[in-house]
Amino acid sequence: QIQLVQSGPEMKKPGASVRVSCRPLGYTFTNFGIGWLRQAPGRGLEWVGWISAYSGDTHYAPQFQGRVTLTTDPSTSTVNMELNNLKSDDTAVFYCARRLRAEPSATVYYFDHWGQGTLVTVSS
Amino acid sequence: DIQLTQSPSFLSASVGDRVTITCRASQGISNYLVWYQQQPGKAPKLLIYSASTLESGVPSRFSGSGSGTDFTLTISSLQPEDFATYYCQHIYNFPPTFGGGTKVEIK
Repeated sequence: QIQLVQSGPEMKKPGASVRVSCRPLGYTFTNFGIGWLRQAPGRGLEWVGWISAYSGDTHYAPQFQGRVTLTTDPSTSTVNMELNNLKSDDTAVFYCARRLRAEPSATVYYFDHWGQGTLVTVSS
Repeated sequence: DIQLTQSPSFLSASVGDRVTITCRASQGISNYLVWYQQQPGKAPKLLIYSASTLESGVPSRFSGSGSGTDFTLTISSLQPEDFATYYCQHIYNFPPTFGGGTKVEIK
């Protein structure tokens, strides 16, 4: 059974950094990349970025570029998202999700299995 | 960036109703469209990819259609567990974007 297990809720002050981890279970870690998405309270879904678990290649959404870093730890089969210079409007649930491509040549992905979400609260 | 506009943003329906949700893209995206369902307090769940292919395990009352700029998600007979918010996502080019969501509530 495929699961993605995320780390617990975080409370941070503006300007701080947060690290959220995601541990996929039930499949070979390096076979699939992982994406991250943000959902502010009562709002829709927003793509943050993704990382290849095989090569470590990353792509970030323009609005997060320079502020977010995705990494993998092959020794623990974990993917980490670090978001810096937090603002109050970063208060949101962050999801990790396994990415899939619709065809072999595709470079943009959708998501078939999701983590449970991690609430990040940014408040002074 | 490609904009996805869902309509309606909210709909009220009864168990057994046929429900149709629309997703319109700001430019042609072929069939590179995906649908998700999100129940309150839960992570999204993949329903349909490539505009019309049902994800394994998803009930057959869900169906998707469309190509180019106009897409629909149809629930043929609404069940109690279908009351949720539905999102479309394009995977045509970078960056992927999502529609604003359609919340389906009980009438």
